[in-house]
Amino acid sequence: ILNVEQSPQSLHVQEGDSTNFTCSFPSSNFYALHWYRWETAKSPEALFVMTLNGDEKKKGRISATLNTKEGYSYLYIKGSQPEDSATYLCAFTDGSSNTGKLIFGQGTTLQVKP
Amino acid sequence: NAGVTQTPKFQVLKTGQSMTLQCAQDMNHEYMSWYRQDPGMGLRLIHYSVGAGITDQGEVPNGYNVSRSTTEDFPLRLLSAAPSQTSVYFCASSYSTGQVSYEQYFGPGTRLTVT
Repeated sequence: ILNVEQSPQSLHVQEGDSTNFTCSFPSSNFYALHWYRWETAKSPEALFVMTLNGDEKKKGRISATLNTKEGYSYLYIKGSQPEDSATYLCAFTDGSSNTGKLIFGQGTTLQVKP
Repeated sequence: NAGVTQTPKFQVLKTGQSMTLQCAQDMNHEYMSWYRQDPGMGLRLIHYSVGAGITDQGEVPNGYNVSRSTTEDFPLRLLSAAPSQTSVYFCASSYSTGQVSYEQYFGPGTRLTVT
């Protein structure tokens, strides 16, 4: 069974703080790593999909890095704003078979206080 | 485009009843999947499909059936509802066939309560 771990489980920061979360995944047979942003009462929305070791992606104040050899990805938020409050999910798919299963971590819930 | 649509938005069932959750997408995506979301457990994959006529089990398939007769539709059937199936159900779709390397688009969710 593939295991995707996210830490911390929850995080409370002040507006303007920068923060980061970790996603750990199996390093063997890596294929792709996804990050999603999930606001309360809405559906998850994709932030990034990364496939190459050393990938770095950026969208506004949010960026992500990928290390497939050691099996982790970091999501960074620079200068957090209250509207960044959400649960951030990572998800992993492996290349061991042509099945396309996407396995999600439990998420990191971010609360940004004004 | 409507994207991914799900019906109903809310449903209450009695134990033992059956029902079908509907999911449709108009983006010509090959890959479709069903997840359930429970507190503290993130999203867990129930079933998925890499194209019309092809389905496979995810992490938590017991008690659910799926079929994929068209590219657009991917219904999820609860055969005999149990209180443990009380959850929020999300349908998602993606361009990729086989390996999932494209972002997934999620529907609005169906909140199911089984009493």
